[in-house]
Amino acid sequence: DTGVSQDPRHKITKRGQNVTFRCDPISEHNRLYWYRQTLGQGPEFLTYFQNEAQLEKSRLLSDRFSAERPKGSFSTLEIQRTEQGDSAMYLCASSPSDSNNYEQYFGPGTRLTVT
Amino acid sequence: GEDVEQSLFLSVREGDSSVINCTYTDSSSTYLYWYKQEPGAGLQLLTYIFSNMDMKQDQRLTVLLNKKDKHLSLRIADTQTGDSAIYFCAPGQYSSASKIIFGSGTRLSIRP
Repeated sequence: DTGVSQDPRHKITKRGQNVTFRCDPISEHNRLYWYRQTLGQGPEFLTYFQNEAQLEKSRLLSDRFSAERPKGSFSTLEIQRTEQGDSAMYLCASSPSDSNNYEQYFGPGTRLTVT
Repeated sequence: GEDVEQSLFLSVREGDSSVINCTYTDSSSTYLYWYKQEPGAGLQLLTYIFSNMDMKQDQRLTVLLNKKDKHLSLRIADTQTGDSAIYFCAPGQYSSASKIIFGSGTRLSIRP
């Protein structure tokens, strides 16, 4: 297994456009997380899935953000009507459900630049 | 809301020990994680400690927890150039993924 993968690695978009990112977790990891990281900061929690169920969402996740994990495997994060403040690194992580804590395995991230 | 604080920078000489400190406010934290992030890469889990422990050793890494003072530290023995990275402290609770709060990270640089 090659770890958590994310696509694309970089995305440049104009303000107002919609973007979608994909995350493929480590196979057999039932838990999947999305974070946002801005320069000089640690990751900020966005949302969490257990299989296909979205169990937690941050208040940071405005109405313009939506995440799905339809078959409990890969996940997508969509941002509608992007704003310059959305420019950040979007990180995905996964963890096994048989773990009694949230030790997470992170992907390399998708860097979004909104011009 | 809950807060996690770390020093922004630490510079050590190659071969010395590095000690990265972290203070947090959430007394309900049950797991306290340390992650490493190298340039252009995602975060890598280094180690974690349960809140009912005060020390954990894992090869060159030693984690110390002072639960009363809500202070966590990561000691890296015999620091090498490959240890250059940003280190994040992240206290969390078993009950909720959203309660894992990452600090701003400490950038560790190694002097020859």
